[in-house]
Amino acid sequence: NAGVTQTPKFRVLKTGQSMTLLCAQDMNHEYMYWYRQDPGMGLRLIHYSVGEGTTAKGEVPDGYNVSRLKKQNFLLGLESAAPSQTSVYFCASSYARGETQYFGPGTRLLVL
Amino acid sequence: GENVEQHPSTLSVQEGDSAVIKCTYSDSASNYFPWYKQELGKGPQLIIDIRSNVGEKKDQRIAVTLNKTAKHFSLHITETQPEDSAVYFCAAGGFQKLVFGTGTRLLVSP
Repeated sequence: NAGVTQTPKFRVLKTGQSMTLLCAQDMNHEYMYWYRQDPGMGLRLIHYSVGEGTTAKGEVPDGYNVSRLKKQNFLLGLESAAPSQTSVYFCASSYARGETQYFGPGTRLLVL
Repeated sequence: GENVEQHPSTLSVQEGDSAVIKCTYSDSASNYFPWYKQELGKGPQLIIDIRSNVGEKKDQRIAVTLNKTAKHFSLHITETQPEDSAVYFCAAGGFQKLVFGTGTRLLVSP
């Protein structure tokens, strides 16, 4: 089992560019999550999904979109990147509500 | 919504000492309280968790205590080792979402 994997590991964007971060899990988990991690602010939930074809907003959803077309994949999109979106992005998954969340290794994004 | 506060932000101990990290939460409906360890350049990994029907849980050198009345929970690490050095996050929630604390950087000096 690879667990939770994220692609890419690191990316540099210019302001206004778009990109998609890919998260994949091979644990057959229903729930998937996207967080961002900034210094001194812990992990903040961007969007999450409670099953294939569903998405919901988290704490800081503005500027991001997500899709869950397949159960094992959760995509995070930035349509027009801004310097404020410079962060480390983590994907996580869990079997059910209230259960342990397993995290991927993260994607470091720098927006110039 | 839920709000989680974590203290201290940094903690330095000597090898062999104990370390305690404390968190408070605001939503009395929260029923799941995990602790994660994050090493440099890696994603957070669950080290221990506790549910609201339990007051204390131990796993070797790690223990977590929960006081639902006061809405606080703590992580206790005994006989600390240099490999315990990392950032530790508490979280509170349940159902669909978790809210994380801001993290504690633990440094264990040999």
